[in-house]
Amino acid sequence: DTEVTQTPKHLVMGMTNKKSLKCEQHMGHRAMYWYKQKAKKPPELMFVYSYEKLSINESVPSRFSPECPNSSLLNLHLHALQPEDSALYLCASSHEDSTIYFGEGSWLTVV
Amino acid sequence: AQTVTQSQPEMSVQEAETVTLSCTYDTSESNYYLFWYKQPPSRQMILVIRQEAYKQQNATENRFSVNFQKAAKSFSLKISDSQLGDTAMYFCAFMLPDGGATNKLIFGTGTLLAVQP
Repeated sequence: DTEVTQTPKHLVMGMTNKKSLKCEQHMGHRAMYWYKQKAKKPPELMFVYSYEKLSINESVPSRFSPECPNSSLLNLHLHALQPEDSALYLCASSHEDSTIYFGEGSWLTVV
Repeated sequence: AQTVTQSQPEMSVQEAETVTLSCTYDTSESNYYLFWYKQPPSRQMILVIRQEAYKQQNATENRFSVNFQKAAKSFSLKISDSQLGDTAMYFCAFMLPDGGATNKLIFGTGTLLAVQP
């Protein structure tokens, strides 16, 4: 079973709102990732958690705040976003064999 | 720095025919992984196939196979007996294993494949 579950599938939020994207995996993977993807572009890495610790932050603005409550869960807290932050946000996880598995994504629209 | 190049922005193939998508990469490392991911209109990124650089044998998964040419730094994907469900954006990706559980994928720009009935 190679399933990464993301909620919500779609989110519309105003620029003053606070919302969160959630991701869950039960494959025992020790690394979890957030990617941002704009239309017709490849995904861009935002954050990596390894063994529940933030290991990579690709210079992401502070209005995006990741959280890893445990080894199965990954959240992305959103606050004061801009319209240009509208995109597909993909969560992913990987095991030591290096293969990265993606969730279905959360479509975010900032109005 | 590693780079991945997909020189075919769009391709089209008739149903039941064979199509090959090209990918080249640049690295000075000898140990790495290569992947093809498929992203249909539903937007989920689906792993198609994986190749370890130390393996000479080309990976295959059912109708999908790769032609891995390490010296030429080429990693093409062949799709046999194309089906309408193969319509998707295909991304080639490169990864350097870091010995731990965090690995960065470097993606190409993608090839949009349309399978025509």
